[in-house]
This record gives sequence, structure tokens and C-alpha cells, in this order.
Amino acid sequence: NAGVTQTPKFRVLKTGQSMTLLCAQDMNHEYMYWYRQDPGMGLRLIHYSVGEGTTAKGEVPDGYNVSRLKKQNFLLGLESAAPSQTSVYFCASRTGTGPYEQYFGPGTRLTVT
Amino acid sequence: GENVEQHPSTLSVQEGDSAVIKCTYSDSASNYFPWYKQELGKRPQLIIDIRSNVGEKKDQRIAVTLNKTAKHFSLHITETQPEDSAVYFCAASKGYNQGGKLIFGQGTELSVKP
Repeated sequence: NAGVTQTPKFRVLKTGQSMTLLCAQDMNHEYMYWYRQDPGMGLRLIHYSVGEGTTAKGEVPDGYNVSRLKKQNFLLGLESAAPSQTSVYFCASRTGTGPYEQYFGPGTRLTVT
Repeated sequence: GENVEQHPSTLSVQEGDSAVIKCTYSDSASNYFPWYKQELGKRPQLIIDIRSNVGEKKDQRIAVTLNKTAKHFSLHITETQPEDSAVYFCAASKGYNQGGKLIFGQGTELSVKP
């Protein structure tokens, strides 16, 4: 049982390049989330999903797109990376019933130059 | 919009002392309040949480209190140890509503000096 995993762990992009971050969970959780963490600002929600095929915007969705084609995977895309998107990205998941606890992945450190 | 304010941003205590971190939330519909501990370079880990139908919850040296009327909640760590040094985040959510999304405070960097 790996829990929540994220791919890749580190990435450096040039301005204007695109990339996709993959989040996978093996706990059969319905809800999944993407957060970004910047120094002194805590974690901010980018997008979330309450089930396969559904997505919704969070606090800071601009510049990002997401897809949830399979229940266990939640993808975060950057179509045209900007230096302001340099951050640590965390994925999380939780059950749609029962406890509210969110389980976090190990994070992806992204640098845009 | 929804907001969670957390204070202080840094806290330094001597080993064995108590530490208190406070948060206030803006949305009265919030009903779930977790606290996460994050060590340097690691993922956030849940250490304790409380629901709005409970005023206080304890787990060994850690306790959380909730005042729904004032819309604030606090984390209390007693008999602090050097391994308690980390960044602590409070958060608030509405349970199942709006996907249970968490709104986080800005974090408190706790330093426990031996």
C-alpha cells in the first residue's frame, strides 16, 4: 500500500514550457486535491476533484488545468509555465465517506526559470 | 472569501515548556479543523483534528480547543521536546461540502531549544 505518490519529485522548466504532474493513490479515495506551497503562505488549493470525471477550481486555479480520467489518478497540467509557478506542489486524497482526513503525497519541487 | 489566520508565525520555547498556536476562521459553516505538522522537506502529516460538535480533544501531549462562537481554535503542546520542532499548519473545511477542501493558515515555525 503506497498511499499517495507523485511523479516527478523534481523538475526544472524554462518559461513557456509545458508539463504534467501525476498524482496516484491506491486507497480507493473519491476526493483528490492539488495544492501549492510557497514560503510564508501555507498551502493553497489549486483544483480538486470529488470523483472520476469531475474537477473544480480552488483558490488559485489560473495557469493550471487538471484531469481525473481514472479514480486513482489526478493530473495537474501547466500549459505555459511562468516563474510565478515556481513552488512545491502537493497532491492529497481522502475518502468521500467516513473520516475527513486528507493524506498527502511527498511533493514535487518545480522551478521555472 | 474563506480565510484562516494563524498566529504566531514563529515560536521559540525551551524544552519542557508548553507551546500554543492560535487560528481564526471566517466561514461559520466550517465544521472540521485539522492540524498538520511539516518537517523540512517532508509532506504535511496530520497530528490532531477536531469537529465542530466537540469543544476539546486530547492526544497525549497534544490538545486542540475550539470556540465556535468566536470562530477560533488552538493547538496546545505540553512538555515540548526538540523533535516537536517543525512548521505547524491549521486548516478549516466544511466536511463533505465543497469537496471537503481545506483552507490553510500561513503556518507557525516552532523551535524547541534543548
